Amino acid sequence: NAGVTQTPKFQVLKTGQSMTLQCAQDMNHEYMSWYRQDPGMGLRLIHYSVGAGITDQGEVPNGYNVSRSTTEDFPLRLLSAAPSQTSVYFCASSRAGGDEKLFFGSGTQLSVL
Amino acid sequence: AQKVTQAQTEISVVEKEDVTLDCVYETRDTTYYLFWYKQPPSGELVFLIRRNSFDEQNEISGRYSWNFQKSTSSFNFTITASQVVDSAVYFCALVAGSSGYSTLTFGKGTMLLVSP
Repeated sequence: NAGVTQTPKFQVLKTGQSMTLQCAQDMNHEYMSWYRQDPGMGLRLIHYSVGAGITDQGEVPNGYNVSRSTTEDFPLRLLSAAPSQTSVYFCASSRAGGDEKLFFGSGTQLSVL
Repeated sequence: AQKVTQAQTEISVVEKEDVTLDCVYETRDTTYYLFWYKQPPSGELVFLIRRNSFDEQNEISGRYSWNFQKSTSSFNFTITASQVVDSAVYFCALVAGSSGYSTLTFGKGTMLLVSP
């Protein structure tokens, strides 16, 4: 049982480049979410999904897109990377909602130059 | 709106000392959930506890204990006889409401350093 799998673990982008952070879970969880972690800021919610085909914005959604075509996958897209998006990104899932225990992926460290 | 305040940015203790990590929360909802997560130096986030707003019983799990006080809107975490392996960043978090659309708000975290 792999849990929540995030790829890649590290990524360096140039300003303006696009990329997709992948997140997959094999626990049949309905709820999935993306957080970014910045020094001294804790974790802040970017986007979340309560099931396939349903997504919503979190606290810091600007510059990011998501979609949820399957229960298992919840990719995060950066359309035009900016230095302000340099951060550590975590994907998380739970059985049914944001009020339940979250299972986190191992994180993606992203640097935008 | 919901908010979590962890006023202690960093705490340093010597092994075997007891240490308490403070967490103060704000919400207008009567139904809410409080969490603690641990982030060791390796970077992963590990769930420690979930407590709902209707259960004010304190919880003890080995060397860990949690003190939930609605009167002061606090959910403090105590480690007894700390060990070097307890060195980590600890996050307190809050979810207000109980629907699938409820979202988790994290505090900024407290870095705990336990020295041998």
